[in-house]
Amino acid sequence: NAGVTQTPKFQVLKTGQSMTLQCAQDMNHEYMSWYRQDPGMGLRLIHYSVGAGITDQGEVPNGYNVSRSTTEDFPLRLLSAAPSQTSVYFCASSYSTDRDTEAFFGQGTRLTVV
Amino acid sequence: DAKTTQPPSMDCAEGRAANLPCNHSTISGNEYVYWYRQIHSQGPQYIIHGLKNNETNEMASLIITEDRKSSTLILPHATLRDTAVYYCIVRVALFGNEKLTFGTGTRLTIIP
Repeated sequence: NAGVTQTPKFQVLKTGQSMTLQCAQDMNHEYMSWYRQDPGMGLRLIHYSVGAGITDQGEVPNGYNVSRSTTEDFPLRLLSAAPSQTSVYFCASSYSTDRDTEAFFGQGTRLTVV
Repeated sequence: DAKTTQPPSMDCAEGRAANLPCNHSTISGNEYVYWYRQIHSQGPQYIIHGLKNNETNEMASLIITEDRKSSTLILPHATLRDTAVYYCIVRVALFGNEKLTFGTGTRLTIIP
């Protein structure tokens, strides 16, 4: 049981390039989310999904796309990287029931756009 | 979700109890109080949560005031590994954890 796995751990992109940040979980969680964290700040929600085939926007969705074709995977796509997207990205997953359960986070992807 | 207010930083001596306060004066009756921590830019880690009763687990205790407008996270015997940013989050009980709202948290430094 690996939990939430993010790849890559580090990435440097040039302005205008595109890339996909991968997130996979092996806990059969229905809920998955992407956050970004800028220096000295808390995490901000980019996109989230409440199940395969269902996604929605969070607080800061511009410049990012997501899809959820399987329960396990929730990739985040940067369409045309900009320096403002330099940040640490965290993926999280949790159960979908109304129980009072917690979210599990990956170890993050540190992205630099030059 | 209700907003929370936390002090930006705190220090605590190693071996002593660390008491981290959180104000959530606009909390609704169906909202839980959750605590997460983030050690050195790793992914946030769940600590504890509660609705209105005090809670304790192997990591910490959570004390919620009777009016539920504030709470305190207690690390009973702080160690250097407890140095981290601690986030107090309030969320509606009936929804999942897919939309957590993080503030800037409290940076706790454990001093040897």
